[in-house]
Amino acid sequence: SAVISQKPSRDICQRGTSLTIQCQVDSQVTMMFWYRQQPGQSLTLIATANQGSEATYESGFVIDKFPISRPNLTFSTLTVSNMSPEDSSIYLCSAQTASYEQYFGPGTRLTVT
Amino acid sequence: AQSVTQLDSHVSVSEGTPVLLRCNYSSSYSPSLFWYVQHPNKGLQLLLKYTSAATLVKGINGFEAEFKKSETSFHLTKPSAHMSDAAEYFCVVSGGSQGNLIFGKGTKLSVKP
Repeated sequence: SAVISQKPSRDICQRGTSLTIQCQVDSQVTMMFWYRQQPGQSLTLIATANQGSEATYESGFVIDKFPISRPNLTFSTLTVSNMSPEDSSIYLCSAQTASYEQYFGPGTRLTVT
Repeated sequence: AQSVTQLDSHVSVSEGTPVLLRCNYSSSYSPSLFWYVQHPNKGLQLLLKYTSAATLVKGINGFEAEFKKSETSFHLTKPSAHMSDAAEYFCVVSGGSQGNLIFGKGTKLSVKP
């Protein structure tokens, strides 16, 4: 298994500002992902965080809005840029182990006012 | 393309009675399937996974799921519900070559005393 921590756990931000969310895994993993869970909804994949190269974004998500870094095999960041109230969500990172199991962080609850 | 459909948005059972949460999948190849549980204000926890080995998969907390290719189903069951089982349950399929997950819309399980 993998233990994943995220910072911050929650934040309240003003529209137009940016927030960077950090994700730390307790072991080296090949694959890391970022998901969004809007209120009362299921999870939607934002992007795959690739180590040493640009992230791979899903349809509807772009790098300018959600820049991602992956400097090594245990750490990744997601930035939510130029925020609007529609960005209010829980943002979760996950890591995939060698046995193809994916473990999730506790999430970052973002409220944009 | 891979997808999952959870057939019930809400299931209510009495404590001590069986639990059945239904999930159908669609996949162009042999899928990897998972069930995750999310307790209120808690992170996602992996309950069990199917990856083309035994069709009856046992998970944590007494849950199990059976992969039925002929019915394209992966229903989650538990013989006897406990109050602590009340949570949101997600059926998930592995979506592509990078291992990203595609989530169903979720089933909220309520357990009555």
